[in-house]
Amino acid sequence: EAGVAQSPRYKIIEKRQSVAFWCNPISGHATLYWYQQILGQGPKLLIQFQNNGVVDDSQLPKDRFSAERLKGVDSTLKIQPAKLEDSAVYLCASSPPMNEQFFGPGTRLTVL
Amino acid sequence: DQQVKQNSPSLSVQEGRISILNCDYTNSMFDYFLWYKKYPAEGPTFLISISSIKDKNEDGRFTVFLNKSAKHLSLHIVPSQPGDSAVYFCAASAPSNNDMRFGAGTRLTVKP
Repeated sequence: EAGVAQSPRYKIIEKRQSVAFWCNPISGHATLYWYQQILGQGPKLLIQFQNNGVVDDSQLPKDRFSAERLKGVDSTLKIQPAKLEDSAVYLCASSPPMNEQFFGPGTRLTVL
Repeated sequence: DQQVKQNSPSLSVQEGRISILNCDYTNSMFDYFLWYKKYPAEGPTFLISISSIKDKNEDGRFTVFLNKSAKHLSLHIVPSQPGDSAVYFCAASAPSNNDMRFGAGTRLTVKP
């Protein structure tokens, strides 16, 4: 069974630039999550989708972050414009309903 | 709000000995607890979980203990192996949703 795929694996941008991350969840998993993991901290949930609907985006900085899951499968997370404090690993995870989450390898973002 | 806390950022043990990783939580609504293991440049992978109706769950060398009254759980690895060297995250979720809260992680080093 293929795991959660994410791209790119690494991205370096300057502050005020825009960046987008892509996630392809495990086939059949209705729930998709985006996490931000800052160095030395645990993953923090940014947004949770159930199929193509948003379940929880209470911790998403909506002035600069946006995410979509148009067809209920792949998802993109965008940051526009990026700030220095956005440097982190962005993890995508998927799960069947009310079950443990399976994580992708993450995208390491460095904002200079 | 740090609802899940791992107060030891690192732990070093000798191969063959027991590793004990600790986790405390503050939200009494949490009823499902998980441990994830993370190697460098990879996403977290699910290790073991426990429901609040149990106080112990065992899977091979890994055992998770839950003390609801103390809001404390621990992961025991016996015997520890060098391949267990990784960062271990404790996570917890409430029955109302699948939104997990993660601890900051504990870096385990098992020395040969």
